[in-house]
Amino acid sequence: DIQLTQSPSFLSASVGDRVTITCRASQGISSYLAWYQQKPGKAPKLLIYAASTLQSGVPSRFSGSGSGTEFTLTISSLQPEDFATYYCQQLNSYPLITFGQGTRLEIK
Amino acid sequence: EVQLVESGGGLVQPGGSLRLSCAASGFTFSSYWMSWVRQAPGKGLEWVANIKQDGSEKYYVDSVKGRFTISRDNAKNSLYLQMNSLRAEDTAVYYCARDLTIFGVVPSYFDYWGQGTLVTVSS
Repeated sequence: DIQLTQSPSFLSASVGDRVTITCRASQGISSYLAWYQQKPGKAPKLLIYAASTLQSGVPSRFSGSGSGTEFTLTISSLQPEDFATYYCQQLNSYPLITFGQGTRLEIK
Repeated sequence: EVQLVESGGGLVQPGGSLRLSCAASGFTFSSYWMSWVRQAPGKGLEWVANIKQDGSEKYYVDSVKGRFTISRDNAKNSLYLQMNSLRAEDTAVYYCARDLTIFGVVPSYFDYWGQGTLVTVSS
């Protein structure tokens, strides 16, 4: 099974900061990776898919990069509404799907 | 507008059964892979099962194989999850989710999610 490990698990940052979250796969997954944002009590929201493709309607301050085993989600300038938990998800082992453990982004 | 509305959650004793439903609207349900994803209280996301457009392929996470059954009724635009032999560790919010890709040959990412339904397994 492919494991996804996100780092850090917890991140404290300020509005306007540039932040980067990393997702490492236990084996190569090409570009079959997505990023989701989840706010408390809400369903996850798709931000990025195929490692770097921005989902329709998602602000351009979000970007994704990487391939193989290491991927990053970058938020170029944090906005108040960006404080949430972020998850990566891999599809390489489809039809079996796995998520990372999550990164909680909080206001400093 | 795409909508996914789950129902059927509740409190059930260990060893019991529950059937979750997901009513879909606003898109051609029969054209998409669909999935169930769960989230235990305070924990991360876990994919549970998915099903192909015509129901011909179904896949499960190891922890629910033999206990859970995913199904769909395209005439009713509905997705189901039959959960048997429930355990305390099945306690979670269960989300149904739609695939990003229409007519996908293989499962894809999830672009629409329902609001979730809470399943609590406890005596």
